Amino acid sequence: GENVGLHLPTLSVQEGDNSIINCAYSNSASDYFIWYKQESGKGPQFIIDIRSNMDKRQGQRVTVLLNKTVKHLSLQIAATQPGDSAVYFCAENAHTGGFKTIFGAGTRLFVKA
Amino acid sequence: ETGVTQTPRHLVMGMTNKKSLKCEQHLGHNAMYWYKQSAKKPLELMFVYSLEERVENNSVPSRFSPECPNSSHLFLHLHTLQPEDSALYLCASSQEDTGGYGYTFGSGTRLTVV
Repeated sequence: GENVGLHLPTLSVQEGDNSIINCAYSNSASDYFIWYKQESGKGPQFIIDIRSNMDKRQGQRVTVLLNKTVKHLSLQIAATQPGDSAVYFCAENAHTGGFKTIFGAGTRLFVKA
Repeated sequence: ETGVTQTPRHLVMGMTNKKSLKCEQHLGHNAMYWYKQSAKKPLELMFVYSLEERVENNSVPSRFSPECPNSSHLFLHLHTLQPEDSALYLCASSQEDTGGYGYTFGSGTRLTVV
């Protein structure tokens, strides 16, 4: 499938544990960040977003943390389930005009039952 | 379906063929995108259309030709492709005047060039 040839960072967690997926972004002018989940055979799906005026945002079982000082973004998944197994992408966008969203290479999450 | 529908889901074509990929969004968004996702590279932006005008053409070879007849439909016309063009082609849409840039992706067309 997609990304099979890429040596994606991989995270393997036990079902029920918490997962933390990290992302370093590149543009200090980026002011909007998104996490996407891509399951096998599907397109990426929006999970959660955060703007640069925040450092934390929570959704249902997911939390995104933003550290602008070190240009770092993380996605925390609570009580990880087998259905969470997927490739997770972070994306950044600078509100400077244009439509360029920069996607990271992705992290593959395996959930062991 | 996610609100962005792509057809066909799978396509096998010879290097001399001409084919088209279709994307339709039912979300009322004003921007649409083509991305390429291959086994060797992460998501690559190909084309962006905003309000039916092409605003981004990311150095894509001319054997790929996009068309956006209206804000809901996007096509990618393919001709004389190469085997290295085999990939998953993803369409996405977004609403660009809300201050957010979250995309809604389709499920993609898996293209194999033989």
